[in-house]
Amino acid sequence: DTGVSQDPRHKITKRGQNVTFRCDPISEHNRLYWYRQTLGQGPEFLTYFQNEAQLEKSRLLSDRFSAERPKGSFSTLEIQRTEQGDSAMYLCASSSRLADYEQYFGPGTRLTVT
Amino acid sequence: KQEVTQIPAALSVPEGENLVLNCSFTDSAIYNLQWFRQDPGKGLTSLLLIQSSQREQTSGRLNASLDKSSGRSTLYIAASQPGDSATYLCAVREGSGGSNYKLTFGKGTLLTVNP
Repeated sequence: DTGVSQDPRHKITKRGQNVTFRCDPISEHNRLYWYRQTLGQGPEFLTYFQNEAQLEKSRLLSDRFSAERPKGSFSTLEIQRTEQGDSAMYLCASSSRLADYEQYFGPGTRLTVT
Repeated sequence: KQEVTQIPAALSVPEGENLVLNCSFTDSAIYNLQWFRQDPGKGLTSLLLIQSSQREQTSGRLNASLDKSSGRSTLYIAASQPGDSATYLCAVREGSGGSNYKLTFGKGTLLTVNP
């Protein structure tokens, strides 16, 4: 396991549809983070898990967004009833206490809502 | 609320030139500061991480400095190459005790190195 992986890498969907993204963290990393990056901006924090527990959600995460991390391994981020404003790069990162929780990022999932 | 600002927003230089990217943050109570590189449409690659107790870190042609009290960091790139062309992002991790986890990012500097 060489790094954080995300699937799919690209997703095009029509407004109103639901989409789900997956993130597989580095093995043994107990913390997992989701960020959103819109064009020309830096990534913004969305939510964070320690093992299977979701410990914080940003105000950016509306009721249409839900994230899970069953069994403290991979995580999914679902967006219901997508809107054009949801178009962005969704980045996942993971970290470990052994590395002082330095965050390692995946390649991201680019979402386009038409 | 922590705010991170990066100047300039874009920079174009000829190959071989030395250059400096700037990052400033409003709340000096940070745990560490990290510089990332992002290629178009890609994820983030960590370049250098500076702990709040450190003044600088070096990796190859890259040198990052941190002045925590003034809320500033610089990334120095020596002898720039076309392969250095990318967006460079600065991020701070807040909290003096390290218990915080969230990274706050700047908007980045888009660097173009011309052959």
